[in-house]
Amino acid sequence: GAVVSQHPSWVICKSGTSVKIECRSLDFQATTMFWYRQFPKQSLMLMATSNEGSKATYEQGVEKDKFLINHASLTLSTLTVTSAHPEDSSFYICSAPRGSSEKLFFGSGTQLSVL
Amino acid sequence: SQKIEQNSEALNIQEGKTATLTCNYTNYSPAYLQWYRQDPGRGPVFLLLIRENEKEKRKERLKVTFDTTLKQSLFHITASQPADSATYLCALEETGANNLFFGTGTRLTVIP
Repeated sequence: GAVVSQHPSWVICKSGTSVKIECRSLDFQATTMFWYRQFPKQSLMLMATSNEGSKATYEQGVEKDKFLINHASLTLSTLTVTSAHPEDSSFYICSAPRGSSEKLFFGSGTQLSVL
Repeated sequence: SQKIEQNSEALNIQEGKTATLTCNYTNYSPAYLQWYRQDPGRGPVFLLLIRENEKEKRKERLKVTFDTTLKQSLFHITASQPADSATYLCALEETGANNLFFGTGTRLTVIP
């Protein structure tokens, strides 16, 4: 089946630093990728939709200057958390649909801890 | 306001029994509804999709029903096994939209 690879699995960083998370579609091309954030015991909240070759679409309340998204190729989208603060600590997950399929293939997630 | 509620945060069930999970939604007009399984520290894995014009879908020991009048989907796991222990998420996409909205999940524990 389709596989989405996400790296790193976990990262610990100091407050004020930036962290980049990569999401790759391994056996299919993804013109669209979705970035979610999940706090403990809560559901996945869509942060932004990443579109290959164009600007990402951010959900209401998500700061585009803080969460930079780049989708430069059909198999790679990156999320950079800039000037991270402890309140940004969360589980970040990417996903992508394969072709016209409605179902999403998810990466394994990145646990970000900001000290 | 729009809500997707999975009314049991946690559900414990004896091995071999049928687990039934509920997903209710408010102020959505879904084109379809999906169910995912999520294990701790992992991304969700797709299980089943049911469209607005479908009443029931089955896949091996899994069954999903969709009642657009009640605005509810039920997810059943028959002959449950300890390996079925996980969090189960329902998600829906509205007609004309391009993203999924997720419920809060139900953490299922199957007791041997």
